[in-house]
Amino acid sequence: GAGVSQSPSNKVTEKGKDVELRCDPISGHTALYWYRQSLGQGLEFLIYFQGNSAPDKSGLPSDRFSAERTGGSVSTLTIQRTQQEDSAVYLCASSPSGLSSYEQYFGPGTRLTVT
Amino acid sequence: KNEVEQSPQNLTAQEGEFITINCSYSVGISALHWLQQHPGGGIVSLFMLSSGKKKHGRLIATINIQEKHSSLHITASHPRDSAVYICAVVYNNNDMRFGAGTRLTVKP
Repeated sequence: GAGVSQSPSNKVTEKGKDVELRCDPISGHTALYWYRQSLGQGLEFLIYFQGNSAPDKSGLPSDRFSAERTGGSVSTLTIQRTQQEDSAVYLCASSPSGLSSYEQYFGPGTRLTVT
Repeated sequence: KNEVEQSPQNLTAQEGEFITINCSYSVGISALHWLQQHPGGGIVSLFMLSSGKKKHGRLIATINIQEKHSSLHITASHPRDSAVYICAVVYNNNDMRFGAGTRLTVKP
């Protein structure tokens, strides 16, 4: 079956612009996760959805970042007024249930470059 | 200081060798994940553990909750095992923290 898909695969934007990143999880997976990996750095956990709700948004780096999930399926990560330090690969993953229950399936990522 | 410590940072092995990668963490967790990141960047989840031991093919993962330590073992290593191996812990509040990764190179 289809895996986790993300779009766009690459995004180049000018500093100060808003960007929207999309994640399509595996059908039926109730849990969805967003991560960030900056160049040469480790993975950073951003936010976790169980269904349409995110129990804890404190992992988002700043108030310029927001995420939503509708219909228990597609999720969007929005970055407002992008800064150069936002340049990174943004990864999405999904699993049948929560963080402590199942292995996660990762998408290919969106490479964001802020110029 | 990273809350999740992995060792070694880099590891070079000859094909066929037995490999061990270690992960230590400082506070109680609800689960631990081992991930594999290929040179092209794609990430694959290898194991999710909350206790004991799991085995998939040549890969074995163990966790000792009391000692706050997990190990990933690769038996009969092969050049295609070359990748970055990442340990991630899940805290009871659903927060997640990652180790810095272990870069494994297996030479033919």
